[in-house]
Amino acid sequence: DIQMTQSPSSLSASVGDRVTITCRATQNIGSYLNWYQQKPGRAPKALIYAATSLQNGVPSRFSGSGSGTDFTLTVSSLQPEDFATYYCQQSYSLPLTFGGGTQVEIK
Amino acid sequence: EVQLVQSGAEVKKPGESLRISCKGSGYSFSSYWISWVRQMPGKGLEWMGRFDPSDSDAKYSPALEGHVTISADNSISTAYLQWSSLKASDSAIYYCARLHWNDVPVWGQGTVVTVSS
Repeated sequence: DIQMTQSPSSLSASVGDRVTITCRATQNIGSYLNWYQQKPGRAPKALIYAATSLQNGVPSRFSGSGSGTDFTLTVSSLQPEDFATYYCQQSYSLPLTFGGGTQVEIK
Repeated sequence: EVQLVQSGAEVKKPGESLRISCKGSGYSFSSYWISWVRQMPGKGLEWMGRFDPSDSDAKYSPALEGHVTISADNSISTAYLQWSSLKASDSAIYYCARLHWNDVPVWGQGTVVTVSS
């Protein structure tokens, strides 16, 4: 099974900060990597798919990069509505696997 | 608009059976896998398995195989997650999701399952 390791597991940031979350796979997954945002009581919302493609309707301050085993989600200027938990997920092989999540909190 | 709409919340007793559903619309249902994802209270996302409607093939997480059954009815574009004997530890939110290679992910709104005596 492919393990997905996210870091950090939590972070505190201020509005306007640039935030970077990383996700590492235990084997090469090409670009088969999705990023999600989840707020309490809500379903996960897709932000980035295929490692770098921005989902329709997602603000351009979100971006994804990487391929192979190392991936990054960047929020260029954190907004109040961005405080949430973020997950990566590989879609390269079964079983599909998720990272453990990164909780982004207000500093 | 591509959508997955799930059935409503359920409250069950241990040992009871349950089937929850996920109806797809706005796309060719048989062309995309449907996965089920569990989220236990306060925890992260856990993939349970997927159904391929094109050939009725189901694959499961090794940790859950044998405890749940994933199926679908292509004629009504609906996928199912089924338990024959629920446990208290099955209490969670269950999401269906269209997770298919590098295609755009699509998620249902979630179904809360509570199992309590």
